[in-house]
Amino acid sequence: KNEVEQSPQNLTAQEGEFITINCSYSVGISALHWLQQHPGGGIVSLFMLSSGKKKHGRLIATINIQEKHSSLHITASHPRDSAVYICAVGGSEKLVFGKGMKLTVNP
Amino acid sequence: DTEVTQTPKHLVMGMTNKKSLKCEQHMGHRAMYWYKQKAKKPPELMFVYSYEKLSINESVPSRFSPECPNSSLLNLHLHALQPEDSALYLCASSQDRSRDQGSGELFFGEGSRLTVL
Repeated sequence: KNEVEQSPQNLTAQEGEFITINCSYSVGISALHWLQQHPGGGIVSLFMLSSGKKKHGRLIATINIQEKHSSLHITASHPRDSAVYICAVGGSEKLVFGKGMKLTVNP
Repeated sequence: DTEVTQTPKHLVMGMTNKKSLKCEQHMGHRAMYWYKQKAKKPPELMFVYSYEKLSINESVPSRFSPECPNSSLLNLHLHALQPEDSALYLCASSQDRSRDQGSGELFFGEGSRLTVL
């Protein structure tokens, strides 16, 4: 079993839809990272959180430490949100990465 | 300036060539990282530099040689690579090395896409 599991693995949505990406982990952590990677491109750090909830623009990330679960929500999705979303846990030095979730938002 | 700049963006090299990848950041970060990413896989950590000293080498073959000339620069020297080394090489930085505290938000560059013929 992977230490970091993401679901779903792939998701296709229509522009404007509310999207939820889930991440469950089995290791003890101090922080969880949500990362975004566009095709062929570098990685952008969206959030780093260790408790509660963070919001940035149309993105919201939540974490439940007791349940070892985090969600990334995208409101009013747009085709430019199409990317791979990666959940990673741990300190920055030894991040354990999930396999990523490929999101496609159609116009 | 919150950028990590990597050059070149694309590199094609033969197995006998010697080349280098470069990474630069001006955020005052004291930890810098090299990751290797194969297609449709998550990044794999290769090296970590903390305060310009190599702190982690994830059993990377010696044909990859990292160098940190100063706190803003990180190089990856490549020599006698194999075709299976073709991948996206990502550089990242964080304020400090953080094994457990989780205080180290990572900033990634756009990557250097390497093809070894």
